[in-house]
Amino acid sequence: SYELTQPPSVSVSPGQTASITCSGDKLGDKYASWYQQKPGQSPVLVIYEDTKRPSGIPERFSGSNSGNTATLTISGTQAMDEADYYCQAWDSSTGVFGGGTKLTVL
Amino acid sequence: EVLLLESGGGLVQRGGSLRLSCAASGFTFSSYAMTWVRQAPGKGLEWVSAISGGGGSAYYADSVKGRFTISRDNSKNTLYLQMNTLRAEETAVYYCAKGAINENYYYAMDVWGQGTTVTVSS
Repeated sequence: SYELTQPPSVSVSPGQTASITCSGDKLGDKYASWYQQKPGQSPVLVIYEDTKRPSGIPERFSGSNSGNTATLTISGTQAMDEADYYCQAWDSSTGVFGGGTKLTVL
Repeated sequence: EVLLLESGGGLVQRGGSLRLSCAASGFTFSSYAMTWVRQAPGKGLEWVSAISGGGGSAYYADSVKGRFTISRDNSKNTLYLQMNTLRAEETAVYYCAKGAINENYYYAMDVWGQGTTVTVSS
């Protein structure tokens, strides 16, 4: 079955740029989506179709996807961005999530 | 306002059955694919199942295939998940989520419910 791999944790200082990667075989040939989940809350879609931002998502969130790696980039990271982030893709008629990355803003 | 409200969770014995419901409002329900996602305590998200807007196409994770059945009643704006032969490791919060684009779009989910908790006792 298809697998997506994310680093368990990423740390960033306020105002700096955070990058969270998601790796999978030929992931660049598929659409990657990203979700933000804060403690006790439901996930929120922040990036879909590799680079698109849903309405209401700040411009500091951006995405890319090429080769075997999709990347979520948060520019000018704010304390409110501290959360778990999950990548997701669709393969062989099945959805797949990465294991999640805890973003710490310190 | 687009809303999804799950219900039907609870405590069930291992090997038992449960049916989850997800009531949708604020959008044309039949025009969007819907997905179930679960999250075990302290763990990550796990994709479970998805269904097309018309209900004619359904997809399942290997871990639930043959035991879970996804369905929808577009006249009632409601999504269902029938879960049979439940296992202890399926204790989780179960979320329903709306596909982002149209009735056959499964690549991203743009609206999520608050989740319903399923506890399978061993």
